[in-house]
This record gives sequence, C-alpha cells and structure tokens, in this order.
Amino acid sequence: KAGVTQTPRYLIKTRGQQVTLSCSPISGHRSVSWYQQTPGQGLQFLFEYFSETQRNKGNFPGRFSGRQFSNSRSEMNVSTLELGDSALYLCASSSGQGIYGYTFGSGTRLTVV
Amino acid sequence: GQSLEQPSEVTAVEGAIVQINCTYQTSGFYGLSWYQQHDGGAPTFLSYNALDGLEETGRFSSFLSRSDSYGYLLLQELQMKDSASYFCAAPPDQTGANNLFFGTGTRLTVIP
Repeated sequence: KAGVTQTPRYLIKTRGQQVTLSCSPISGHRSVSWYQQTPGQGLQFLFEYFSETQRNKGNFPGRFSGRQFSNSRSEMNVSTLELGDSALYLCASSSGQGIYGYTFGSGTRLTVV
Repeated sequence: GQSLEQPSEVTAVEGAIVQINCTYQTSGFYGLSWYQQHDGGAPTFLSYNALDGLEETGRFSSFLSRSDSYGYLLLQELQMKDSASYFCAAPPDQTGANNLFFGTGTRLTVIP
C-alpha cells in the first residue's frame, strides 16, 4: 500500500511569509502527527490529529497550527515565518497509537531566508 | 523533565556487532522504540519494547531494562547500508499522550 506522502518536498520562503505543508497518511490510518527536525534540537513533536481533532500539542508557539480533514489528510501552517523555522518537517502516520510505531513521510525541507 | 540520552556517534567495522545505548529519565514509562534514519531520508520504525528483555528482528535486536531505565539497540553483521542515525523514543511523561519524545540520536558509521 502507498506510504505517507508529504508535499512539497522542498520549500524556500522569506521571513514574515506563511507556509502550508500537506500530509496524506497511509490509507486507513486516522492519526497524523507532525514533528520538526533540526540539527540542534532533534525531533520535536508539534501536534497530533486523530479523526479531525487535535489530541496533543507540543511546545511550539501559536504560529504553528494544523488541521485534519475527513479523509485523514492533514495540513500544517506556519505563519510569520522566522529564520529559526528552517527545518525538516516530518509527518507520521499511525492507526491510532503512534507510540507503538509510526510510519514517517519523507518530510518537507523548509528553508526560511 | 524527561530525557533520553544516547551517544552522539559510534563507528564500527563492517561485519562486526555494535550496541547503541539509551538511558532515559521519565516519571511514567510506556515503552521504548527505536528508529533508523538515513541522511536525507525519513525515520523508519525498527522496534518497540514494552517489557523487559530482548526483542529480535533479523540482524537487529532491542533490549529494555525498566529497573535500570536503560535500553539498547544491537546491530549484528554490520553492513555499509547500516550507516545512519538511530533514535530511541518514548512516550512523554503525561498520561494519555500519543506522541513520542525522541532521543538526540546516534550517528553510526560503518567502515570497511
């Protein structure tokens, strides 16, 4: 079956702009989690959606938001981009209990200039 | 607060065995997972230990000791393709959370 699809793969944005990233989970998976990966901070949890509801949220500012649609596809949005938002954004799909094993997408590499 | 400590780098010879350690501090504990990530790639799930002991999957094994707050990933018959970063991960301290807290990662370099 198809894996987790993230689009776009690469993105370059200017400070102050906003960006929307997309994630399509594995068919049948209802949970989508988002992580930010940077060399300095490693993998950090942003938020998790399950059946269109945000179940958990990490310690990120309100500029980071997300949503999930009825087909389980998810988007995350970052407004008023800062240089420090440059990172690899990873989407992780699970059937409901990600702690037992995620399937990650290849990520979106965001560069803020 | 919660922490997962791993060595930052490990180098091993092709064909050898290598162990990557992970020590954790958490008020509650719901199991330890391991992920592999090649440069430029996505993290890939390797194993999950909920209980003490050894879990074996092919060349990879993972061990957990809850009394010692310690786990490790064992890679046998190392191959060049095993060069990657390896992360241990555990659920956060708060009950009911369905996300993972990741360790800082260990970069494994396999040399001929």
